[in-house]
Amino acid sequence: GAVVSQHPSWVICKSGTSVKIECRSLDFQATTMFWYRQFPKQSLMLMATSNEGSKATYEQGVEKDKFLINHASLTLSTLTVTSAHPEDSSFYICSAITQDTQYFGPGTRLTVL
Amino acid sequence: DAKTTQPTSMDCAEGRAANLPCNHSTISGNEYVYWYRQIHSQGPQYIIHGLKNNETNEMASLIITEDRKSSTLILPHATLRDTAVYYCIVRGGLGDYKLSFGAGTTVTVRA
Repeated sequence: GAVVSQHPSWVICKSGTSVKIECRSLDFQATTMFWYRQFPKQSLMLMATSNEGSKATYEQGVEKDKFLINHASLTLSTLTVTSAHPEDSSFYICSAITQDTQYFGPGTRLTVL
Repeated sequence: DAKTTQPTSMDCAEGRAANLPCNHSTISGNEYVYWYRQIHSQGPQYIIHGLKNNETNEMASLIITEDRKSSTLILPHATLRDTAVYYCIVRGGLGDYKLSFGAGTTVTVRA
C-alpha cells in the first residue's frame, strides 16, 4: 500500500513556458503533501508543504509565484513551474502522508532548454 | 529537528548483512528516527522508523540504543538491488511531518 504516483515522469520544455506536474496518492487520502527538488549529486531539498483546501507553505528562498502549488483534492496536488528557465531543470519529487509517514512519488525529471 | 551523522559511503558483500550506523546525539524525547533509501533517479523509498524500541519489518531491522543517541539499520541479506543512498532522518513528534535530508550513506553491494 501507500503508493504515490507522479505525472509526467520526464518533461522537456522551452525556456519561458510553464510546466505542470501532478502528484497523486493512489490508495489513500492525503491532507498534506510535500514537494521537493533535487539537483544532480545533491540531496533532496524541501520546496513547499501542500495542504488540501488551503494555500501552500513555501520554504525560505522558494519563489511562490514561480512554483504554483494547488491541492484541490485529497488525492491530488499539482506543481506548476511558471516561466521555466534552464536553472529550473531538476528532479522534482512529491510525497504524501499516511499513517504518520511520508511516502514518495517516483519523481519528475524537468529539462528546460 | 536533531541533526544526524552518517558515514559517506560503505561497501558490503552480496548475501551478507549490511549494518548502517547513524548518530543523532541531540535527538529529543518525542522525535522519531526514520530511514529512507534512494535508488538512482528514483524517489526515496520508506524503509522503517522507530521511537525507542527496536523495529523489524520485511525490509530491515532498526536498532536504537537505549540512550537514543544512535541507531543502526540492518539489511539482513544484502542484494545488488540494495545499492542506494540511505538516509537516516530524525523527525518531529506526531503532527510534525517535515523531513530534512542530509547527504546519506552511499551503499554499494558487491557480488
